[in-house]
Amino acid sequence: QQPVQSPQAVILREGEDAVINCSSSKALYSVHWYRQKHGEAPVFLMILLKGGEQKGHDKISASFNEKKQQSSLYLTASQLSYSGTYFCGTEANNQGGKLIFGQGTELSVKP
Amino acid sequence: ETGVTQSPTHLIKTRGQQVTLRCSSQSGHNTVSWYQQALGQGPQFIFQYYREEENGRGNFPPRFSGLQFPNYSSELNVNALELDDSALYLCASSLGNPGEGTEAFFGQGTRLTVV
Repeated sequence: QQPVQSPQAVILREGEDAVINCSSSKALYSVHWYRQKHGEAPVFLMILLKGGEQKGHDKISASFNEKKQQSSLYLTASQLSYSGTYFCGTEANNQGGKLIFGQGTELSVKP
Repeated sequence: ETGVTQSPTHLIKTRGQQVTLRCSSQSGHNTVSWYQQALGQGPQFIFQYYREEENGRGNFPPRFSGLQFPNYSSELNVNALELDDSALYLCASSLGNPGEGTEAFFGQGTRLTVV
């Protein structure tokens, strides 16, 4: 089942912060976050694993609440380059790396 | 630059035809997954290959099939194309075993239009 992302869209001014949420009804092993710009491939941002391990870029932060099967991506001091569509991909327990993606959150950062 | 390349970048086919899309992964990436992304939607999982064997499939009919080769390349084949098959097709490869929580590197995709 597809995870639910919120909000669907957000507009920021440069320097403002944003939080994007991802919620699943399944017990998760990991949550993956990607950013996709129009016409380009999704770019890896972060993986959060059951048990607390995280892998990703230093300037990106995220959390994973295993009890609630929810993850949040925190974008602080936003830059124009942060614009794009953010997707969470969830991997359920025993699903061997198969990611189910949410519908995306469109982020626009204005000068 | 992810090191994953897909070909062709764009393709137009007629309903009922067959199509083969190709993906070249980074050396050592044993796992490749294929996704279909409709406009304005998130990528939808089609199937995954690990060491040349299918390792899971999403909710797609059997006319969607794939192959993975020893040289880290792979193919997605779609038979009897339908108008709804028009989408961006993405492949993603990763190092390590499926389920180890490793990052997936996406190719730039193939935009398929069925007319």
